[in-house]
Amino acid sequence: EPEVTQTPSHQVTQMGQEVILRCVPISNHLYFYWYRQILGQKVEFLVSFYNNEISEKSEIFDDQFSVERPDGSNFTLKIRSTKLEDSAMYFCASSETEGTNYGYTFGSGTRLTVV
Amino acid sequence: QKEVEQNSGPLSVPEGAIASLNCTYSDRVSQSFFWYRQYSGKSPELIMSIYSNGDKEDGRFTAQLNKASQYVSLLIRDSQPSDSATYLCAVSGSNYQLIWGAGTKLIIKP
Repeated sequence: EPEVTQTPSHQVTQMGQEVILRCVPISNHLYFYWYRQILGQKVEFLVSFYNNEISEKSEIFDDQFSVERPDGSNFTLKIRSTKLEDSAMYFCASSETEGTNYGYTFGSGTRLTVV
Repeated sequence: QKEVEQNSGPLSVPEGAIASLNCTYSDRVSQSFFWYRQYSGKSPELIMSIYSNGDKEDGRFTAQLNKASQYVSLLIRDSQPSDSATYLCAVSGSNYQLIWGAGTKLIIKP
């Protein structure tokens, strides 16, 4: 069964450092998403990406965050200057159509720990 | 502010019994409703989607939707220990974004 692949599975970084989280969506999917889940809290939407541009973003997705699809397969989330409160599980997801039609396929996540 | 509410649990159900999970949502215009299962430390896994009022069955799972009451539920028949997980209700907030509940922790006791 096709999978969304995320790397690394766990990243520890110092406050103020830049991190890049990587995702390889399912190959025929056109819509890509980042969500995060702080330990013990709700899953929160960050951003959706379609046709090489952001289609929607949340209030969490401020100027410290950016997304990119640098080639035909990878989809990345960059956090420019990490804060302690950025510590969370970050999930990439993809869908064939607009995600709220049929739901998403999530990757296994990257656990980001900011120290 | 669009909200999705779930009882956090834990909900403890004997093996073989029916587990009933509930969810309410605030946005009347929401069109798509999903149940995800999440094991500890893992990513959410889609188990059911429902779009119109009534029941939708898939194997041991039945999703129920009542848009007038803004209520979604999930029934798990013949509960197994492997069903023990947190069940997340998610509701469409826009074309792209899902709004999530905090999840109900389900424990199936052998």
